[in-house]
Amino acid sequence: DAGVTQSPTHLIKTRGQQVTLRCSPKSGHDTVSWYQQALGQGPQFIFQYYEEEERQRGNFPDRFSGHQFPNYSSELNVNALLLGDSALYLCASSLSQVLAKNIQYFGAGTRLSVL
Amino acid sequence: AQKITQTQPGMFVQEKEAVTLDCTYDTSDPSYGLFWYKQPSSGEMIFLIYQGSYDQQNATEGRYSLNFQKARKSANLVISASQLGDSAMYFCAMREGPSYNTDKLIFGTGTRLQVFP
Repeated sequence: DAGVTQSPTHLIKTRGQQVTLRCSPKSGHDTVSWYQQALGQGPQFIFQYYEEEERQRGNFPDRFSGHQFPNYSSELNVNALLLGDSALYLCASSLSQVLAKNIQYFGAGTRLSVL
Repeated sequence: AQKITQTQPGMFVQEKEAVTLDCTYDTSDPSYGLFWYKQPSSGEMIFLIYQGSYDQQNATEGRYSLNFQKARKSANLVISASQLGDSAMYFCAMREGPSYNTDKLIFGTGTRLQVFP
């Protein structure tokens, strides 16, 4: 049973560029969330996708956008990269159920460095 | 105000001993969930244990147990019989609100646990 997979594992970009990160959820999961984890900090919620729509969003600018495909996989896009966007980007998947624990399972992340 | 507070930046424990990692939370919502995750140096966040706000008993998962004190708003993780492989960052997280309304997790700043022989 494959867990959450993310690609690429590492990425180096320069300021002003655009980047796309990819995530395949755990088998059977239909919901994908994205988090940004700066060095020495806990993860910060970016947004969540369910049924191909953004269901909830954290306090991140519009430069951060996403997409969910019919197979539940997801992409995170960041435009006009800033030095401060350097971080570990974590994808988490869960199964959306009413009155459930909705435990999120995480991938190993994509480490983005902006120079 | 911090919604999740982990006051121990680092902890040391000897192999086979028990250790408690502290977590306090702040919410006015009666329905919430509390989670603990382990993050090794590889980066992946590994789910350890969950406690719902309405759960009557403290959660246990193998060597992990959660000391849930609702009135004090604390959810401390207890690891029994520590192993060298337990060395990692540990994060406490909260889902603020019922699960049908939100999946957003709010994380603390983490505690680095080091287990020595």
